Amino acid sequence: EVQLVESGGGLVKPGGSLRLSCAASGFTFSSSSMNWVRQAPGKGLEWVSSISSSGTYIYYADSLKGRITTSRDNAKNLVYLQMNSLRADDTAVYFCAKSLTDRLDWFDPWGQGTLVTVSS
Amino acid sequence: EIVLTQSPATLSLSPGERVTLSCRASQSVGRYLAWYQQKPGQAPRLLIYDAFNRATGIPARFSGSGSGTDFTLTISTLEPEDFAIYYCQQRNDWPRTFGQGTKVEIK
Repeated sequence: EVQLVESGGGLVKPGGSLRLSCAASGFTFSSSSMNWVRQAPGKGLEWVSSISSSGTYIYYADSLKGRITTSRDNAKNLVYLQMNSLRADDTAVYFCAKSLTDRLDWFDPWGQGTLVTVSS
Repeated sequence: EIVLTQSPATLSLSPGERVTLSCRASQSVGRYLAWYQQKPGQAPRLLIYDAFNRATGIPARFSGSGSGTDFTLTISTLEPEDFAIYYCQQRNDWPRTFGQGTKVEIK
């Protein structure tokens, strides 16, 4: 069974940094593209970033580009989202999602998410 | 970026009814459109991908259609567990984008 468990969320002050992790199991992680999607409280879904299986290709949402870095460790079955210069509007649940196939395609399945709160 | 517009914003329906949700793209996405279902406090779940393919384990009452800029998600007979928010998403281009969602609520 595919499992994705996000961690690293919490309360951070504006301008601060946070690194989110997503631990994957139940599938061949090194062959799978991975994704981050966020959801502000009471709002819709917003794609954040995608990373190919080898980490060669990485894509970012324009609204976050320059402030975030996505990476992965295929030996540890982990994908990371490093977030810097955090702002109040970055407050959201951050979901990790596997790509449906080995390509950068659909998001399936999703983890349960980790809440990031940016507040002074 | 490709903007996805979903309509209506909210649907108030009773179990047993037929549901039709719409998603319109600001430019063609071919067949690269998916539908997700999200219930309160849960992560989204993939329902339909590539416009009309049902994801693993998704009941046959869910179906998708469309291509280009106009897409539809149909629930043939609404079950109590189907009351949720539905999002469309495109993968034709970067950035990936979602529609704003349609809430299907109990009438």
